[in-house]
Amino acid sequence: KQEVTQIPAALSVPEGENLVLNCSFTDSAIYNLQWFRQDPGKGLTSLLLIQSSQREQTSGRLNASLDKSSGRSTLYIAASQPGDSATYLCAVRGNDYKLSFGAGTTVTVRA
Amino acid sequence: GAGVSQSPRYKVAKRGQDVALRCDPISGHVSLFWYQQALGQGPEFLTYFQNEAQLDKSGLPSDRFFAERPEGSVSTLKIQRTQQEDSAVYLCASSRTSGGALETQYFGPGTRLLVL
Repeated sequence: KQEVTQIPAALSVPEGENLVLNCSFTDSAIYNLQWFRQDPGKGLTSLLLIQSSQREQTSGRLNASLDKSSGRSTLYIAASQPGDSATYLCAVRGNDYKLSFGAGTTVTVRA
Repeated sequence: GAGVSQSPRYKVAKRGQDVALRCDPISGHVSLFWYQQALGQGPEFLTYFQNEAQLDKSGLPSDRFFAERPEGSVSTLKIQRTQQEDSAVYLCASSRTSGGALETQYFGPGTRLLVL
């Protein structure tokens, strides 16, 4: 069974600092990996999706890398803003349709 | 609609009651998923539909949980004889097809269930 771990569980940074969120997974036979954002009381919003053949994806201030062989992904958020405060979830899709999620990293960006 | 909607948003049930949670996926989406998210945890897969066919129910915790999607659009997750351990957020997601490499799942806001 795929196990997904996210470290750290929580992170608090001053505004403007860069954020680094880590995700590791046990089974490297993945189809793709996604990073989601979850705000309190709301559903999940997809931020970035990386296919298994890709090494990274970028969208604005967000950059996600994928090292499938070592079972790791990192989400970088540049120049953090208070609006970036949320829980960030990493999800791995295997050869079926299911997503296996980590427990998330809760980010607080202090103004 | 513009996105996945779920109702009710909050449900308080007494232990032993039956509950029904509704999901309206994005119009035309073939695939529909239910996930359970316990407090402080990531979502856990419950079940998957492709149109009206329930292709995978391996994540349902017990036979008290039942899901249906009779016309291939709206889905209902029913929990019979609720227990305190059923307290969680129940998330519904849909995707356009049965899942290519670039296929993303679109999530609803969830139903927060509290069993007293």
